[in-house]
Amino acid sequence: AQSVTQPDIHITVSEGASLELRCNYSYGATPYLFWYVQSPGQGLQLLLKYFSGDTLVQGIKGFEAEFKRSQSSFNLRKPSVHWSDAAEYFCAVDGAYSGAGSYQLTFGKGTKLSVIP
Amino acid sequence: DSGVTQTPKHLITATGQRVTLRCSPRSGDLSVYWYQQSLDQGLQFLIHYYNGEERAKGNILERFSAQQFPDLHSELNLSSLELGDSALYFCASSAPSGRLNEQFFGPGTRLTVL
Repeated sequence: AQSVTQPDIHITVSEGASLELRCNYSYGATPYLFWYVQSPGQGLQLLLKYFSGDTLVQGIKGFEAEFKRSQSSFNLRKPSVHWSDAAEYFCAVDGAYSGAGSYQLTFGKGTKLSVIP
Repeated sequence: DSGVTQTPKHLITATGQRVTLRCSPRSGDLSVYWYQQSLDQGLQFLIHYYNGEERAKGNILERFSAQQFPDLHSELNLSSLELGDSALYFCASSAPSGRLNEQFFGPGTRLTVL
């Protein structure tokens, strides 16, 4: 079965500093990978996704992620963090095919990002 | 705003009770997925409906059931509630079922069982 590991439960960075959130996945075939962000009291918003092709993926809000097959990683990065980026970030893999056209997401436990002004 | 609506936003009830959570997908989306987010288990897939038919089940308890109606809205029914059922329940919708279709999440229903 597929799984996603986000090793960092909580990260604190200063505003303007760079950010990297780690994500490792376990999946037998080509993974479809996602990063979602959840602000307090809000639902999940898709930041970016990787299906195939260029391993460096650009997303919304200035985020990018790099797929590294050899390391089974899909780390999320941002060169300069803004206070509004404080939220919880979830990495997910899509691949639990049930044979009936169903591809549900398997999520990591999330990384909570705090931003110091 | 994802276009997915969920009601109610908050629900407080007692153990042993039954509740119904409602989800309206984005206009035109045929798939509805239900997820449970709890502190100990994280975000877990519960069930997927496509155009009224159940497509897949995940870690859904037998006390829980769901359905999708002809107008494509979906309801998640939770019965014989236990304290451990307290969680945030999300639904997500997507266009025709398939890997390339992004899932759009609603704001969630926070269930508290006392």
